Amino acid sequence: GQNIDQPTEMTATEGAIVQINCTYQTSGFNGLFWYQQHAGEAPTFLSYNVLDGLEEKGRFSSFLSRSKGYSYLLLKELQMKDSASYLCAVRSLMDSNYQLIWGAGTKLIIKP
Amino acid sequence: NAGVTQTPKFRILKIGQSMTLQCAQDMNHNYMYWYRQDPGMGLKLIYYSVGAGITDKGEVPNGYNVSRSTTEDFPLRLELAAPSQTSVYFCASSYARTSGTNEQFFGPGTRLTVL
Repeated sequence: GQNIDQPTEMTATEGAIVQINCTYQTSGFNGLFWYQQHAGEAPTFLSYNVLDGLEEKGRFSSFLSRSKGYSYLLLKELQMKDSASYLCAVRSLMDSNYQLIWGAGTKLIIKP
Repeated sequence: NAGVTQTPKFRILKIGQSMTLQCAQDMNHNYMYWYRQDPGMGLKLIYYSVGAGITDKGEVPNGYNVSRSTTEDFPLRLELAAPSQTSVYFCASSYARTSGTNEQFFGPGTRLTVL
């Protein structure tokens, strides 16, 4: 079956670095996404990995290892506005169409 | 561009009532999706559409119906509301190009309570 696991909640300090892990078991893998979702708002796209390795985008980086079914999102120089849920999603080929399978999200709490 | 718009933002229904959640996008995306999000849970796909006139069931379609008569609009219909349908509903859209990210863009959501 399709399964995505990520920690439920993490706490970090303003200015620090935090790594949010995501492990997955899916068939027909076609890329992994990270989305940010502030409380009461819609998810917004952060990053996409389809090949192994690190993708860097400013303070945010995302890593993928397809052989291990593993990804992480790295947030540097944490700011209070980074307090949000971070959703890991895997795109898989199902019934001849690509669909996203979503993890439950990791709630990140930033403390001053 | 307005992106993906949804109406209403909030709604309270009584058990057995019906309603339509509206969704529109102005990005000329061919794919559109309806998700529900329950507290502490991941997004669950209800229905999706790969183009006008084509719809298909997702993971949790029971109790819902959709139509896609135009590229822009993708309404979700609840026929007989039940308390289990209390949730936040998100509409999303994306391209489906052979290359590129094809990330999904989300509307602001509709918060539905069934009492």
